[in-house]
Amino acid sequence: DTGVSQNPRHKITKRGQNVTFRCDPISEHNRLYWYRQTLGQGPEFLTYFQNEAQLEKSRLLSDRFSAERPKGSFSTLEIQRTEQGDSAMYLCASSLSMGRRAAGNTIYFGEGSWLTVV
Amino acid sequence: AQSVTQPDIHITVSEGASLELRCNYSYGATPYLFWYVQSPGQGLQLLLKYFSGDTLVQGIKGFEAEFKRSQSSFNLRKPSVHWSDAAEYFCAVGERNAGNMLTFGGGTRLMVKP
Repeated sequence: DTGVSQNPRHKITKRGQNVTFRCDPISEHNRLYWYRQTLGQGPEFLTYFQNEAQLEKSRLLSDRFSAERPKGSFSTLEIQRTEQGDSAMYLCASSLSMGRRAAGNTIYFGEGSWLTVV
Repeated sequence: AQSVTQPDIHITVSEGASLELRCNYSYGATPYLFWYVQSPGQGLQLLLKYFSGDTLVQGIKGFEAEFKRSQSSFNLRKPSVHWSDAAEYFCAVGERNAGNMLTFGGGTRLMVKP
């Protein structure tokens, strides 16, 4: 399978604990995105990387959230001191784009990582 | 800032009937427009996209959408719905000048009656 891969698919954690999600994009895709989706809503943009550089961050990405893409390949999204409001599906996506300006290339999504904070 | 509105939260159609899902967007320039489909508990699959040129775009699974600038709309259509089309459908607008970030609508859940 050469699609976007996310792990773990499901995570239940106690409030206050830290969690980390991993995303492996499609090979050779230079852009990687994180979105969050709550029940009954559309996905909301969190952040994106061009290679290893984090170029945009949404105001939704509070200081408890940190994303990295150290070698320009896989990415991790860490949530510290989780709160019940963090319960959502975290979607990773990737695309192949040339330059910072969008060329309109297709963005491919993974199957998401479900987080439940109890 | 751009926004996307999908006025219909739920739609139910009979199998074999035609389908139209509405999408209205707000964006200061000519947008990139997308329709994605999501099955329960799954990620998003791209159905079709509009960047420029012909305003009627064809997608996978027999879907098509028409970009109407004057109405700021990008409605999704299918002439004959199959039971397997039951899913959640999301319209999205992409920013032309920054990273392909997508803004999604709230989604329309499609149910198909036998």
